[in-house]
Amino acid sequence: QVQLVQSGAEVKKPGASVRVSCKTSGYSFTKYAMHWVRQAPGQRLEWMAWINPGDGDAKYSQNFQGRVTLTWDTSASTAYMELSSLTSEDTAVYYCARVPRIAEKNYYYMDVWGEGTTVTVSS
Amino acid sequence: DIQMTQSPSTLSASVGDRVTITCRASQNINNWLAWYQQKPGKAPKLLIYMASSLESGVPSTFSGSGFGTEFTLIISSLQPDDSATYYCQQYNSYSLTFGGGTKVEIK
Repeated sequence: QVQLVQSGAEVKKPGASVRVSCKTSGYSFTKYAMHWVRQAPGQRLEWMAWINPGDGDAKYSQNFQGRVTLTWDTSASTAYMELSSLTSEDTAVYYCARVPRIAEKNYYYMDVWGEGTTVTVSS
Repeated sequence: DIQMTQSPSTLSASVGDRVTITCRASQNINNWLAWYQQKPGKAPKLLIYMASSLESGVPSTFSGSGFGTEFTLIISSLQPDDSATYYCQQYNSYSLTFGGGTKVEIK
């Protein structure tokens, strides 16, 4: 079955960067784009960006443009999200989530989610 | 960005009750709306996409409707396992946005 397994919790100091990985299985990695979504404590879900490993196309929320870098490793079927210049407001659970395809077209909701990676930013 | 507003923010209902959650978009999103269920400490789970299409494996007690700017999620007969927070999400525009959530509690 389709699975997204994320890397473990991170604790970072303000100003640092964090990289979260999302290892996929159960489907063809390059055929599906991947979202990154975060949720600060007690807050609503916040979409950050999506990346298509098949062609490198990507879209970023203006809230994160310039601070988030999305990459992937096709041989490892793994997507990565790096967030830089961290502040305490970046303390959140970060999720990867797959972009579903219907009749060869992408629809930008989220059909399968990773379990989340907790990132804590604290001095 | 398109703003998504859910109501109520919390509700308490009994097992077997019919529950209705509303999601309003700040502009027309056609039927590009999804609903998710999230339990504490867990990732969200897709329930409904394209406003009214039930995701495979989701109980038929869940249904969605709406078009344009107003949408509803209905749980036709509330079960104990339905205790969770529910979020709507629009995908009409490239800047995707979620509602603020509705927490459903069992009386």
